[in-house]
Amino acid sequence: QLVESGGGLIQPGGSLTLSCVTSGFSVSSNFVSWVRQAPGRGLEWVSVIYTSGRTYYADSVKGRFTISKDNSKNTVYLQVNSLRAEDTAVYYCAGYISGKPYWGQGTLVTVSS
Amino acid sequence: EIVLTQSPGTLSLSPGERATLSCRASQSVSNNYLAWFQQKPGQAPSLLIYGASSRATGIPDRFTGSGSGTDFTLTVSRLEPEDFAVYYCHQYGSTPWTFGQGTKVEI
Repeated sequence: QLVESGGGLIQPGGSLTLSCVTSGFSVSSNFVSWVRQAPGRGLEWVSVIYTSGRTYYADSVKGRFTISKDNSKNTVYLQVNSLRAEDTAVYYCAGYISGKPYWGQGTLVTVSS
Repeated sequence: EIVLTQSPGTLSLSPGERATLSCRASQSVSNNYLAWFQQKPGQAPSLLIYGASSRATGIPDRFTGSGSGTDFTLTVSRLEPEDFAVYYCHQYGSTPWTFGQGTKVEI
């Protein structure tokens, strides 16, 4: 099970930290990604952190978002900075065990003044 | 970047009919790490198929994923009323990971 939290209403230029707490799933031995969906739009991959700790980002968030994890807490984080209106979306975390995805229910981030 | 192109954009069918959805990748999908998701209005995406052809837990056997390399297909053998939704394919074999633009299956 994966449970996201940390979303909310934030002004343009602001920052948030999203959390993805996992249970029955080890972030130390499986990779985890973040995916988002803007209102009325399709799914957009945001970032992934592999078991090695190596990270990758979509071009649209590179330099503004940072993914990290705490193996001891089985938690993955997404630090989102310099937020823009177009970052408004439901953010989902997804864990992958032997190639099988497990998704959370998402947390809504609204960027508006 | 692997671009996933789904076709058709919209599929208009009736309950009981067969639905065939296509997902074509611009490059070969590594490890056949290709998944299909179903999304209904106001709900989170729900996993149907992973690894191109493995059905997720609890998914009825009327849903079948097939294909490899660059061409993938999701088939719904007989549409039930609850199957009318938007379907996305997703590759997670190569970064940047990508999604198709979606196929809407409507009555």
